[in-house]
Amino acid sequence: EAQVTQNPRYLITVTGKKLTVTCSQNMNHEYMSWYRQDPGLGLRQIYYSMNVEVTDKGDVPEGYKVSRKEKRNFPLILESPSPNQTSLYFCASSLSPAGTSEAFFGQGTRLTVV
Amino acid sequence: DQQVKQNSPSLSVQEGRISILNCDYTNSMFDYFLWYKKYPAEGPTFLISISSIKDKNEDGRFTVFLNKSAKHLSLHIVPSQPGDSAVYFCAASLILTSGTYKYIFGTGTRLKVLA
Repeated sequence: EAQVTQNPRYLITVTGKKLTVTCSQNMNHEYMSWYRQDPGLGLRQIYYSMNVEVTDKGDVPEGYKVSRKEKRNFPLILESPSPNQTSLYFCASSLSPAGTSEAFFGQGTRLTVV
Repeated sequence: DQQVKQNSPSLSVQEGRISILNCDYTNSMFDYFLWYKKYPAEGPTFLISISSIKDKNEDGRFTVFLNKSAKHLSLHIVPSQPGDSAVYFCAASLILTSGTYKYIFGTGTRLKVLA
């Protein structure tokens, strides 16, 4: 089954404690991205990757890091989480970055930073 | 600066009637528009898209209309079913100077279809 898998689904952490949210896709997609969803703000792109070892900033990259060492995996790293990073996070992948290519989303990770 | 706007946070419609969800945008360089549906505790799923060179695209009960002069698109669901109750996101695709694309999402409209 074609899917994007995120882990964990829920996470509560304390300010400053480094964490990683994993994302894996089994569709051999080149393009992957991370979004955060906040009330009244919709989905905002954090980082994206066009292929292995190629990543770039989205609209709200501050406080986040990513890596793309393998095609299937695109982890999101919060080196020193802060309460304003409490949000619902989605990883997405698509066959290409072209506008015609629909994105497949993971189920989301709800992060709370206290 | 919200380039893609969904001004109605919520909408309630009776089962069997038409649901119309609206989306306005400001950037004339958007080349594709997409609608995604999101159920609670799930990620968004693709619903339907339309190229900026077209004014209508239909897929079963779902039709998207694009009015470029007004920078407005709408999603029509006919007939509406209780299973359509979800949050609907409008998204626009924009080519960047790097040659890649990015999606810009609206804030979403929560549709409730009443049985």
